[in-house]
Amino acid sequence: GNSVTQMEGPVTLSEEAFLTINCTYTATGYPSLFWYVQYPGEGLQLLLKATKADDKGSNKGFEATYRKETTSFHLEKGSVQVSDSAVYFCALKNAGKSTFGDGTTLTVKP
Amino acid sequence: DTAVSQTPKYLVTQMGNDKSIKCEQNLGHDTMYWYKQDSKKFLKIMFSYNNKELIINETVPNRFSPKSPDKAHLNLHINSLELGDSAVYFCASSRLGRENTEAFFGQGTRLTVV
Repeated sequence: GNSVTQMEGPVTLSEEAFLTINCTYTATGYPSLFWYVQYPGEGLQLLLKATKADDKGSNKGFEATYRKETTSFHLEKGSVQVSDSAVYFCALKNAGKSTFGDGTTLTVKP
Repeated sequence: DTAVSQTPKYLVTQMGNDKSIKCEQNLGHDTMYWYKQDSKKFLKIMFSYNNKELIINETVPNRFSPKSPDKAHLNLHINSLELGDSAVYFCASSRLGRENTEAFFGQGTRLTVV
């Protein structure tokens, strides 16, 4: 079956620090990969996505590259801001079915 | 214009009561979902509907019954509420059959059973 494993949180960083949140997946075939972000009190919203191997998704300074050889889709940002504090979910979609990771809570301190 | 809207946003009710949460999407999507998010932020799919037909029904007590009057609406009715039902419930939608399409989520309904 499909599964997504992401780095356990919580993660606490100082403003302007480098962020990496690891995500690995297990799936048959060729899933699409996503990162969603959930700000406090809100629903999930798409942050970025990649639909095939070696694709790089990017948005708001965040990036992730679809690595088929390592079955990974790690999220990175070069310089985080306080406003990036949120819960981040890695997810895959395969044969029409979505699978989410457990979420990683990020807190950025000024 | 809100793409996926659910009501109410907050719901506090006593054990044993029956309650409903409504969801509507104006994106023209064919697939709608209900998710449950617990206090640790874990997200678990409950139901998935394609064009008003139930596709996924994960291990959910039969006290939970989804109803889809048309493909733009997916309501969730819960009978005999229990303390353990307290959670945030999210409605979502996506296009049917397209592998690379993301889901659009509502703002969530925070259900508290006392």
